[in-house]
Amino acid sequence: KNQVEQSPQSLIILEGKNCTLQCNYTVSPFSNLRWYKQDTGRGPVSLTIMTFSENTKSNGRYTATLDADTKQSSLHITASQLSDSASYICVVGRGGSQGNLIFGKGTKLSVKP
Amino acid sequence: GAGVSQSPSNKVTEKGKDVELRCDPISGHTALYWYRQSLGQGLEFLIYFQGNSAPDKSGLPSDRFSAERTGGSVSTLTIQRTQQEDSAVYLCASSLALGEGQYGYTFGSGTRLTVV
Repeated sequence: KNQVEQSPQSLIILEGKNCTLQCNYTVSPFSNLRWYKQDTGRGPVSLTIMTFSENTKSNGRYTATLDADTKQSSLHITASQLSDSASYICVVGRGGSQGNLIFGKGTKLSVKP
Repeated sequence: GAGVSQSPSNKVTEKGKDVELRCDPISGHTALYWYRQSLGQGLEFLIYFQGNSAPDKSGLPSDRFSAERTGGSVSTLTIQRTQQEDSAVYLCASSLALGEGQYGYTFGSGTRLTVV
């Protein structure tokens, strides 16, 4: 069954601290893995996109890693800011069908002052 | 436009009524997607349009759901005889054609549908 599991479900950290969010997937065939940030009441916004051959990609304070062998990905946030408070969604794209994305349920991150 | 525009942003309807949700994608984006996000759940794929090709309707949960895309631009998602389980945020996204994995999706802010 094609699934994307994210952990933790929610996380509270203090401003300035780092954190790492996890994503495990069982999606086949694998095409790409994306991380999105979704602010409350807004649509998801793309942070990173990685294909099979990429094992790390950065976007400012966000760094995503991908281990295609273990089917795991992580999103590391450095020096967190209050504006990082949002849901972070891991999405795996299936090869062979452009409309077929498998979404995780997201990790709700709260950054406190 | 500069982004994907969805309307209305909020819709409250009575059970059994029909609703229409609108999506205006980014100009030039030939691919358009509808997703549903229920409370505490991940996004659920509904339907996908690519240019003039027949849409991929494989995610529509029942025949009460339909969507069309006129002129390759604006799309309307219609839900007939709404049920309480249809309550969710309906998100529209668009992307440049082809190159799965090369292009990100741009999402709209969604329509929050509440069926009472």
